[in-house]
Amino acid sequence: NAGVTQTPKFQVLKTGQSMTLQCAQDMNHEYMSWYRQDPGMGLRLIHYSVGAGITDQGEVPNGYNVSRSTTEDFPLRLLSAAPSQTSVYFCASSSLAGGSYEQYFGPGTRLTVT
Amino acid sequence: DAKTTQPPSMDCAEGRAANLPCNHSTISGNEYVYWYRQIHSQGPQYIIHGLKNNETNEMASLIITEDRKSSTLILPHATLRDTAVYYCIVRVGYGNKLVFGAGTILRVKS
Repeated sequence: NAGVTQTPKFQVLKTGQSMTLQCAQDMNHEYMSWYRQDPGMGLRLIHYSVGAGITDQGEVPNGYNVSRSTTEDFPLRLLSAAPSQTSVYFCASSSLAGGSYEQYFGPGTRLTVT
Repeated sequence: DAKTTQPPSMDCAEGRAANLPCNHSTISGNEYVYWYRQIHSQGPQYIIHGLKNNETNEMASLIITEDRKSSTLILPHATLRDTAVYYCIVRVGYGNKLVFGAGTILRVKS
């Protein structure tokens, strides 16, 4: 299985443009989340979902929307890109079944907003 | 979640054990200690977790003090590929909604 996949790997946007970062997992995990990582810093949680149709905000949700229509996919939408959203974005998934503690991370999308 | 404190960086000789400390003095009884690492801007990778007892898996060992206020991640025979940022995270339950600090940069040198 492929695990957690993210597309695109790299993206450059102009201020004010919108786009969707894609995330998919093939492990049938209930829980999926989006983090951003700014240079030299740890990851910060943007949004998360505990199952199809259920999403909630993390630590830094402003400027981002998410939806979860299927178990496999959890896209992140930037509504109107700003230079402050230049970052590396990681998607993660995990099982909520008993005894499962590991989160699996994707390879990241490197976004630059000019 | 309890706050964790880690040294900003450490060096280790290749082939030697790498011992990475983490302080979590305000940890509560139902909080787990998780360790993740991030190699050169890749996505973080789960290493190990524990509640009270020491734990070992194929990657590492986790030693938690009896009072649970600190822990040590041990990589028994560090290789150059273990050079990474190591994150110690304290979290209730299944380790979702992780809060990442700055971590420890481990440099393994030949």
